[in-house]
Amino acid sequence: QVHLQESGPGLVKSSETLSLTCSVSGGSISSYYWTWIRQPPGKGLEWIGYVYDSGVTNYNPALQSRVTISLDTSKKQFSLKLSSVTAADTAVYYCARLDVALDYWGQGTLVTVSS
Amino acid sequence: DMQMTQSPSSVSASVGDRVTITCRASQDIHTWLAWYQQKPGKAPKLLIYGASSLQSGVPSRFSGSGSGTDFTLTISSLQPEDFAIYYCQQANNFPFTFGPGTKVDIK
Repeated sequence: QVHLQESGPGLVKSSETLSLTCSVSGGSISSYYWTWIRQPPGKGLEWIGYVYDSGVTNYNPALQSRVTISLDTSKKQFSLKLSSVTAADTAVYYCARLDVALDYWGQGTLVTVSS
Repeated sequence: DMQMTQSPSSVSASVGDRVTITCRASQDIHTWLAWYQQKPGKAPKLLIYGASSLQSGVPSRFSGSGSGTDFTLTISSLQPEDFAIYYCQQANNFPFTFGPGTKVDIK
């Protein structure tokens, strides 16, 4: 059974960089798109971007200038960096595996941006 | 970006009811559509992919249909554990946008 687990600071100061890691266990990291999605409190889901096992990335144009997603296959981890954060970036951040759809998700981690 | 809309935004129903949720895409997405269920404090769970394929382990009371721009999720007989928010998501054009969600609550 594939399991994903997010980790990282739950509090980030405004204008700084949010950094999260997703650890993958129970399955291969190859041949899938590893994805970050976020959900502001009480709101809907927003696609952030993905990294493929080759290292190819694709980002939401709305966030592209601030986002970096990377993959460490040896550690079976992928990471999200979001720079210059503001209060609008406060959200639950989920990592997920994209196959034909998002079939495995992490439990999510709340990141609050403080001023 | 591709725009996804859902209707209704919320529905009140009783156990045993048949519930239908509609999702509409702003452009043709063929059958690149998935449905997810989200319960409070939990990650979304994949129910349907490819517009009509049931994800492994999902009860057969859930079904999906549609192609092009109009899609439907149907719960044939609502169970207590089905009260949740349901999201559609397109995977035809990046970014793979989600619909705004439909809340199914107890009547």
